[in-house]
Amino acid sequence: DQQVKQNSPSLSVQEGRISILNCDYTNSMFDYFLWYKKYPAEGPTFLISISSIKDKNEDGRFTVFLNKSAKHLSLHIVPSQPGDSAVYFCAARALLSGAGSYQLTFGKGTKLSVIP
Amino acid sequence: DTGVSQDPRHKITKRGQNVTFRCDPISEHNRLYWYRQTLGQGPEFLTYFQNEAQLEKSRLLSDRFSAERPKGSFSTLEIQRTEQGDSAMYLCASSLETAHYGYTFGSGTRLTVV
Repeated sequence: DQQVKQNSPSLSVQEGRISILNCDYTNSMFDYFLWYKKYPAEGPTFLISISSIKDKNEDGRFTVFLNKSAKHLSLHIVPSQPGDSAVYFCAARALLSGAGSYQLTFGKGTKLSVIP
Repeated sequence: DTGVSQDPRHKITKRGQNVTFRCDPISEHNRLYWYRQTLGQGPEFLTYFQNEAQLEKSRLLSDRFSAERPKGSFSTLEIQRTEQGDSAMYLCASSLETAHYGYTFGSGTRLTVV
């Protein structure tokens, strides 16, 4: 049972345009949602996060929107740049019962290609 | 401190052999995690340490897998009697408390079992 879903395996966008990456989740206990960016042969790198009590968080060219009623979040990149080409993972955070820390559950990722 | 280090970067082994990976977290991070990523999938949680104590293990972690974190510093992940299905990228991550930025990941160890 996949709790975090990224239904688009890939996305191509022209340089300068907006990239919109989508993510759906099923577990209402998630308290934070995060986006990671991954280049080949590297580990995922944290990009931006949003608390479950917020509906928008912005950091430079990156904005994450959360629609809690729809259990849906999206990452907007404006304007898109060729260097943004990477795999983007949506992740959701939930408390590890009895362990005092959190576990991240990841989606399968969306490969973004920004065309010059 | 340059981040989370993992060694080796790549490992090719024959089926049935044992392998061990090492992870050096960011020095002030007391929490350490192991994840596994297979082709076309996102990272999947394996196990979690707080200091030297292993507090959580996923059901993905069969009895052929063992992880340790002696003295709450570096960690090792050992796979005994490797199988072809163990081929994956093994990612280590560390964090400080419960920061909402999630974890800092290492570059991973890519295991290929032939």
